Amino acid sequence: SQTIHQWPATLVQPVGSPLSLECTVEGTSNPNLYWYRQAAGRGLQLLFYSVGIGQISSEVPQNLSASRPQDRQFILSSKKLLLSDSGFYLCAYANTGELFFGEGSRLTVL
Amino acid sequence: AQRVTQPEKLLSVFKGAPVELKCNYSYSGSPELFWYVQYSRQRLQLLLRHISRESIKGFTADLNKGETSFHLKKPFAQEEDSAMYYCALSPISGSARQLTFGSGTQLTVLP
Repeated sequence: SQTIHQWPATLVQPVGSPLSLECTVEGTSNPNLYWYRQAAGRGLQLLFYSVGIGQISSEVPQNLSASRPQDRQFILSSKKLLLSDSGFYLCAYANTGELFFGEGSRLTVL
Repeated sequence: AQRVTQPEKLLSVFKGAPVELKCNYSYSGSPELFWYVQYSRQRLQLLLRHISRESIKGFTADLNKGETSFHLKKPFAQEEDSAMYYCALSPISGSARQLTFGSGTQLTVLP
């Protein structure tokens, strides 16, 4: 069966520090992968999606970047965090039009 | 451009009462509509999609193209229905990257 995991679950980082959130998918090959940000009162915003290794599309201009070094690995990064980067980040893969989400990573930037 | 509006950020009902979570959309083509749900300490997951025409956990949603709505309804709410609900839209046969989510409604079912 297919599973998706992301970590860390919670993270508290100072402004200007780097960020790395990791997501892995098991039980499927060449999945389409997504990073969303869930902000209170603003719904889910698609940040990045990837259709394959090394293929990243950005949906919104921002301080974050994404990489896909392996087929089942999707990483969300930043070189220098901003206060506005605080939020709940969700990784997901798609199957037959349905999104399957990871557990989420709550980032607090102080 | 496609847009999904959930006018209620918070909604409280008593156990056993009917509940309706509103969702309106704007889209010029043929849409596919979804409801996703996130229970406390659980992952965001699909509740239902309009093309399935299913009732899941007692919830139903009918696509009303005339009113451009996809309201989620349940005749008798239960405490375990308390959760965050998101309405979402994508073009028919579109990919997940074309999915647009509403801002969500936090439903609380009171004992």
